[in-house]
Amino acid sequence: GESVGLHLPTLSVQEGDNSIINCAYSNSASDYFIWYKQESGKGPQFIIDIRSNMDKRQGQRVTVLLNKTVKHLSLQIAATQPGDSAVYFCAETSREYGNKLVFGAGTILRVKS
Amino acid sequence: EPEVTQTPSHQVTQMGQEVILRCVPISNHLYFYWYRQILGQKVEFLVSFYNNEISEKSEIFDDQFSVERPDGSNFTLKIRSTKLEDSAMYFCASSLRGVSTDTQYFGPGTRLTVL
Repeated sequence: GESVGLHLPTLSVQEGDNSIINCAYSNSASDYFIWYKQESGKGPQFIIDIRSNMDKRQGQRVTVLLNKTVKHLSLQIAATQPGDSAVYFCAETSREYGNKLVFGAGTILRVKS
Repeated sequence: EPEVTQTPSHQVTQMGQEVILRCVPISNHLYFYWYRQILGQKVEFLVSFYNNEISEKSEIFDDQFSVERPDGSNFTLKIRSTKLEDSAMYFCASSLRGVSTDTQYFGPGTRLTVL
């Protein structure tokens, strides 16, 4: 039968503005977190990762923040561009999960020109 | 830059038929995975594979599913008798090692439609 799809939260930003995408993760034992970007019809593309012994990591135009106290992860994109429009997923993994990734629900980012 | 490739990009099949989805992982990677994504839903883990053996599988990965590395480059997912609810995007991924902190790289996916 039909599966009921999730209604993904949507973030709309103006080109050039900064974007912040949030994720609440489920397992306090998770030790590695990844942000993936998924464009329409494509597979998840690695953006940035962070280990649980860190609270911030920066890449090119992207920053990931980890707050283990409240099990919260965020992805900040500086100077958002139209090419950043996609669905963004956080994923977590831990020794408890073995080597499988557990994905969050995703957030749609729409960049207005 | 090396990447994971998958074929076909779209597979349409009749319910009850067998399908084989193919993947070529990144060449020096040792761990391989299949995930699926039902339209509008989360990406879900199916199975991981190392050294010609399944290392972990989810509840979704029942007896209708099997995986194989038939040669040095391909990694396949077989669904023996497809059901309507198997319709989804199927993603192959690979990682250099199998530790939890190792990045998994995903292929573009195969869209499976079961009629």
